[in-house]
Amino acid sequence: DAKTTQPNSMESNEEEPVHLPCNHSTISGTDYIHWYRQLPSQGPEYVIHGLTSNVNNRMASLAIAEDRKSSTLILHRATLRDAAVYYCILRRRMTTDSWGKLQFGAGTQVVVTP
Amino acid sequence: DGGITQSPKYLFRKEGQNVTLSCEQNLNHDAMYWYRQDPGQGLRLIYYSQIVNDFQKGDIAEGYSVSREKKESFPLTVTSAQKNPTAFYLCASSISRVAEQYFGPGTRLTVT
Repeated sequence: DAKTTQPNSMESNEEEPVHLPCNHSTISGTDYIHWYRQLPSQGPEYVIHGLTSNVNNRMASLAIAEDRKSSTLILHRATLRDAAVYYCILRRRMTTDSWGKLQFGAGTQVVVTP
Repeated sequence: DGGITQSPKYLFRKEGQNVTLSCEQNLNHDAMYWYRQDPGQGLRLIYYSQIVNDFQKGDIAEGYSVSREKKESFPLTVTSAQKNPTAFYLCASSISRVAEQYFGPGTRLTVT
């Protein structure tokens, strides 16, 4: 399985944007880039996913490099409720042999300061 | 409200006892999953089920067992064969095996 590399932690001030990088240099053409986040003592929560084009939803934006070897999750205005561990996950497109398992790494701990 | 419930939130057991963790969903999802999380680490897949009466081992299934007799329910039994059972256990479900997963609040199991 292709792996992802994320910084251990990042800090941000409240109401400022947060850019979370993720490197995935061994990504294959059938891998989707997924982001989940986990608030303290809770289960993870789906954030966003993409394949090649940049994606936006109500929670965040996902910017994918042209060569797909890296991506950035963007939280446009950080709030205290955004303090969580953010996981960047490569998920293989479903085939007869693969069901697109989620493989969680250690993620990036985001700290938001008032 | 639709969602996933796990009970209890905290569970304490003596070494050598089997314990069953509950997971129920009312989202009408076909697929359900069990993960384990140790402090400071990501989640690891224990078992998953794509439909009723069918389930497959994940990456760390040894010492665990599951059943899927109803679409809504996917209980996990931590047996005495599991060498390090103390962990945070998370259940998830998805409408299909490739859709995004929805997680429950977790059960924190402590075995002494």
